[in-house]
Amino acid sequence: DTGVSQNPRHKITKRGQNVTFRCDPISEHNRLYWYRQTLGQGPEFLTYFQNEAQLEKSRLLSDRFSAERPKGSFSTLEIQRTEQGDSAMYLCASSLAWTGEQETQYFGPGTRLLVL
Amino acid sequence: GENVEQHPSTLSVQEGDSAVIKCTYSDSASNYFPWYKQELGKRPQLIIDIRSNVGEKKDQRIAVTLNKTAKHFSLHITETQPEDSAVYFCAASKRGGSYIPTFGRGTSLIVHP
Repeated sequence: DTGVSQNPRHKITKRGQNVTFRCDPISEHNRLYWYRQTLGQGPEFLTYFQNEAQLEKSRLLSDRFSAERPKGSFSTLEIQRTEQGDSAMYLCASSLAWTGEQETQYFGPGTRLLVL
Repeated sequence: GENVEQHPSTLSVQEGDSAVIKCTYSDSASNYFPWYKQELGKRPQLIIDIRSNVGEKKDQRIAVTLNKTAKHFSLHITETQPEDSAVYFCAASKRGGSYIPTFGRGTSLIVHP
């Protein structure tokens, strides 16, 4: 499968625990985005990388959230001291940015997080 | 920032009928408008997109129209089939940096056989 992959697909954790999600983008894609989606809503932007550089973070991304893309390939999203309000689907998307062109983002299957 | 409104939130049609979903955006600089289909428990998948230099784009039973002056764009699905049942999201983004899309809240389309 050459699409975007995410692991794990489901995560149940207790409030206060730390969790880490992984995203593997389409291999030649240089941009990687993280989104959060709650029931009945569209995806909300969290952060994005171009290669290994984290270029933008949403104000939704509290200090408890951190993302990395150390080698410009896969990315991890960590949530520290999880809260019940963090329960959501976390989506990753990747794209190939062309100068002067819009880009099409391809989504992964998501990681569904439930904080008890 | 950009604000995207999507209507209706739920749309129920009979198989074979047409379905239309409408979105409006606020930032006149937005110039790329993708539509995603998300089936229950699955990833959003791009079904069609349109750039601001065209007013209409068609792909088989799916078409998208864009009115830049009014800042709205619409998704048209003809001859609907039960497998078209899903949540559809519109989005708007603009060139010049991050291309971060702002999504609408989604339309749940139900096609009754």
